[in-house]
Amino acid sequence: GAGVSQSPSNKVTEKGKDVELRCDPISGHTALYWYRQSLGQGLEFLIYFQGNSAPDKSGLPSDRFSAERTGGSVSTLTIQRTQQEDSAVYLCASSLAGYEQYFGPGTRLTVT
Amino acid sequence: AQKVTQAQTEISVVEKEDVTLDCVYETRDTTYYLFWYKQPPSGELVFLIRRNSFDEQNEISGRYSWNFQKSTSSFNFTITASQVVDSAVYFCALSGDTGRRALTFGSGTRLQVQP
Repeated sequence: GAGVSQSPSNKVTEKGKDVELRCDPISGHTALYWYRQSLGQGLEFLIYFQGNSAPDKSGLPSDRFSAERTGGSVSTLTIQRTQQEDSAVYLCASSLAGYEQYFGPGTRLTVT
Repeated sequence: AQKVTQAQTEISVVEKEDVTLDCVYETRDTTYYLFWYKQPPSGELVFLIRRNSFDEQNEISGRYSWNFQKSTSSFNFTITASQVVDSAVYFCALSGDTGRRALTFGSGTRLQVQP
């Protein structure tokens, strides 16, 4: 079956602009995660969705970051007023509750 | 708080050598899960193994084997007869058994296998 897909694969934006990153999880996976991978911080958790429950936003680095998951499937991560320190690879993962997470190819965000 | 330490930043071996990647973890949870992921140059994280804290049996899958020792809080990964295709960054990760189960990753070990 299809794996986790993410779009766009690359995004270059100017400082101060808003960006939206999309994740399409594996069909049937109830849990969805966003992580960020950067040289300085390694791989870090951002936000978690499980079914229809309220998301766990405890990993979001600032209030410029938000995410939603529509219909328990596709998720969008939005970064407002982007800063250079937001440059990173944003990874999405999905899983059946309590099982291993499968990752998408990531979106490489560059803020100039 | 959870923590995963991969002390080896980079390892270089020659093809057919055996290589062990070390992973040490810290957690206060009594039930937890340990994982290894591979990140080849293409960038996508590939799941390799998931082990729960109650199962200390070693596991072998082809040329890969994993040694889980609760007494030393270690979950080491060995590649036997390494191949050039094994060149990648390998991440060890840890999650709890309740709540969000988000992964806490180590900093990764870059493995270079020379022909």
